[in-house]
Amino acid sequence: EAGVTQSPTHLIKTRGQQATLRCSPISGHTSVYWYQQALGLGLQFLLWYDEGEERNRGNFPPRFSGRQFPNYSSELNVNALELEDSALYLCASSLAVLGTDTQYFGPGTRLTVL
Amino acid sequence: QKEVEQDPGPLSVPEGAIVSLNCTYSNSAFQYFMWYRQYSRKGPELLMYTYSSGNKEDGRFTAQVDKSSKYISLFIRDSQPSDSATYLCAMSEGNTGGFKTIFGAGTRLFVKA
Repeated sequence: EAGVTQSPTHLIKTRGQQATLRCSPISGHTSVYWYQQALGLGLQFLLWYDEGEERNRGNFPPRFSGRQFPNYSSELNVNALELEDSALYLCASSLAVLGTDTQYFGPGTRLTVL
Repeated sequence: QKEVEQDPGPLSVPEGAIVSLNCTYSNSAFQYFMWYRQYSRKGPELLMYTYSSGNKEDGRFTAQVDKSSKYISLFIRDSQPSDSATYLCAMSEGNTGGFKTIFGAGTRLFVKA
């Protein structure tokens, strides 16, 4: 069974640009989560999508946004990039069935903002 | 104060040692407790998943939860060089996406051959 996949592996942008990160969940999973892992910090929850809807959001500014497509894949967009947005962005998926919300992570996209 | 505190290490042990990794937390509503392992340049992978207090064992790994002390532990017996990774504790009030999972900063473990 294929795991969670993310693309691109690495992304280099300059301040003020926009970045788009993509995630494909495990087949059959309907929930997708996005996390930011900055150097020396734990995983910070960004967004949760389920069945195409944004269900929950972390303490991040509105320039972090995303969407979930009908095939449950997801996209994270970061507008007006700032230097401190440099981090590993992790996507996780789950079945979102009550009692079994184990999250499975992808390998991440490393975003560098210059 | 962070909701979840975890010593970042690094922790260096010889092969075969028993490793103890710990996290403390402040939110008494947390009921679900997880340990993830993250190898360099990889995403975290779930190691242990525990509900409420008590112990859970899986091979060389044992997870303990003490809700009265707001303290969780992961023990690794007979540690191997392949166990060298960052270990993240995580916890949540509920087990659906409506409840945010809060992660510790991770402890880097090195097991020397």
